[in-house]
Amino acid sequence: KQEVTQIPAALSVPEGENLVLNCSFTDSAIYNLQWFRQDPGKGLTSLLLIQSSQREQTSGRLNASLDKSSGRSTLYIAASQPGDSATYLCAGGDGNKLVFGAGTILRVKS
Amino acid sequence: DAGVIQSPRHEVTEMGQEVTLRCKPISGHNSLFWYRQTMMRGLELLIYFNNNVPIDDSGMPEDRFSAKMPNASFSTLKIQPSEPRDSAVYFCASTQVHGYTFGSGTRLTVV
Repeated sequence: KQEVTQIPAALSVPEGENLVLNCSFTDSAIYNLQWFRQDPGKGLTSLLLIQSSQREQTSGRLNASLDKSSGRSTLYIAASQPGDSATYLCAGGDGNKLVFGAGTILRVKS
Repeated sequence: DAGVIQSPRHEVTEMGQEVTLRCKPISGHNSLFWYRQTMMRGLELLIYFNNNVPIDDSGMPEDRFSAKMPNASFSTLKIQPSEPRDSAVYFCASTQVHGYTFGSGTRLTVV
């Protein structure tokens, strides 16, 4: 059974810092991995999707990597801004369903 | 595309009442998922459908919960009778092959 763990649970950084959020999963037979952002009281917004044949994806200041052999994914946020404050969730897919981590609560201080 | 549409956005009901949550997936997406989010347990998959057929309902907590997908453009999640511990945000998501799109969720409060 796939289990997804996210570290740290919470993170507070000053504006402008580069930061890394970590995600680990137990089943290396992961098909794809998706990072989401969730603002308080809101739904999930997809940030990046890494498919099984890929190792990383980039969108603007965001870069996500996937290492299936070690069971890890990282989300790198460059030059963080207060507007990046949210909960970040990673989810591993087996080709049918997504299993979510508990999320990392990010606060970027101005 | 309007995305995944859920209704209602908020629902407050009394214990024992029937609750029906609705979802319209993105046109062309052949898989639909119902998730529940709580502070204690995070996001949990309740059930998912492929081509309108329920594939895995092992996450449905009790027989009080049921889900249907009568056609490719509509799904319902019903709780009968509702209990206070069912209070949560219920999300619907759809996908075609890669990448999941979530609706805005229904915040359910059972008093």
